[in-house]
Amino acid sequence: QQQVKQSPQSLIVQKGGISIINCAYENTAFDYFPWYQQFPGKGPALLIAIRPDVSEKKEGRFTISFNKSAKQFSLHIMDSQPGDSATYFCAAREVGSQGNLIFGKGTKLSVKP
Amino acid sequence: KAGVTQTPRYLIKTRGQQVTLSCSPISGHRSVSWYQQTPGQGLQFLFEYFSETQRNKGNFPGRFSGRQFSNSRSEMNVSTLELGDSALYLCASSARQGGETQYFGPGTRLLVL
Repeated sequence: QQQVKQSPQSLIVQKGGISIINCAYENTAFDYFPWYQQFPGKGPALLIAIRPDVSEKKEGRFTISFNKSAKQFSLHIMDSQPGDSATYFCAAREVGSQGNLIFGKGTKLSVKP
Repeated sequence: KAGVTQTPRYLIKTRGQQVTLSCSPISGHRSVSWYQQTPGQGLQFLFEYFSETQRNKGNFPGRFSGRQFSNSRSEMNVSTLELGDSALYLCASSARQGGETQYFGPGTRLLVL
């Protein structure tokens, strides 16, 4: 099965700092790369997403950088806040999979005040 | 608009029993996908239903099955429960088959003893 590898597993950042989470994939047949945010006791919520024909997408404090040749994409959270403390998942959708998302294992982010 | 609802939120079963989980998608959404979330394996795709038909299936044994009703509500059934089936089962709805934007419910936490 295609895989999406996510790192780090956990991340501690000071308030106001930049949080960076990285993902890499092994197959070129992905056409959509979303990031999800999950708080304890809640389901994942879509944060931001990118397609492979775009190298960067920014929404507020959240930015996805995408490197097609390296098969890597990353999430940057600028000016990190304690309220950003959550688990973040990257995902990828296989072309023709009809919606099947393959998720990374997740990164638990803690933002210290 | 109400979000995705899942019932029950918590379940305790014993090995060998069967269980049925329910998911009501966002009004107007016709696609429902199911995912299993465990600490070890992360989020894994189970299956997707659209227009009462299973459209896509993940790599899970036949003990895992589902169905979708004409009102788009979906149920997932797990027969002959095993200890390893303990997990958070998440349902996600999307406006169309294979829809990229998937909205997750809060999940059903299943504990198998």
